[in-house]
Amino acid sequence: KAGVTQTPRYLIKTRGQQVTLSCSPISGHRSVSWYQQTPGQGLQFLFEYFSETQRNKGNFPGRFSGRQFSNSRSEMNVSTLELGDSALYLCASSLYGGGTGELFFGEGSRLTVL
Amino acid sequence: GQQVMQIPQYQHVQEGEDFTTYCNSSTTLSNIQWYKQRPGGHPVFLIQLVKSGEVKKQKRLTFQFGEAKKNSSLHITATQTTDVGTYFCAGPDNAGNMLTFGGGTRLMVKP
Repeated sequence: KAGVTQTPRYLIKTRGQQVTLSCSPISGHRSVSWYQQTPGQGLQFLFEYFSETQRNKGNFPGRFSGRQFSNSRSEMNVSTLELGDSALYLCASSLYGGGTGELFFGEGSRLTVL
Repeated sequence: GQQVMQIPQYQHVQEGEDFTTYCNSSTTLSNIQWYKQRPGGHPVFLIQLVKSGEVKKQKRLTFQFGEAKKNSSLHITATQTTDVGTYFCAGPDNAGNMLTFGGGTRLMVKP
């Protein structure tokens, strides 16, 4: 079956702009989680969506938001970009979400903020 | 909040040597998962441990879950260059709502 698909794979933005990243989970998976990965901070949990509802949220400012559609596809948005937002943004899908069960990660969207 | 720590951060080994990474949680875990991320790649699930004292093997990889369910280890016997990558452990928070990842151990193998 098809894996988790993230688009775009690479993007460059400037400070103050906003960005939207997309994630298509594995068919049948209702949970989508987003993680930010940076060399210094490792994998940081952003939020999780399950059946179109945000179920959990990590410790990130309100500039980071997301949503999930009825087909389980998810988007995350970062507004008013800062240099420190440069990172690899990983989406992971799973059957049940939460802290149980295997996460299937996409290849990530690498964001560079200039 | 819950913290998951991993040591060491980096490990250089000669091909054929053994390697171990250790994971410690500040809270008792209902389960622990291990992932591997190759350079330039994304994390890939390796295994999940659930029971206290559980030991599981995958070929040259041995995973262990501590008796108190607060620590875990991954041991690789006779490393190969294909083992290169960063190994992460991850555990759910107390409410079982989200997975917290350790900082990872980056393994480098010299041929």
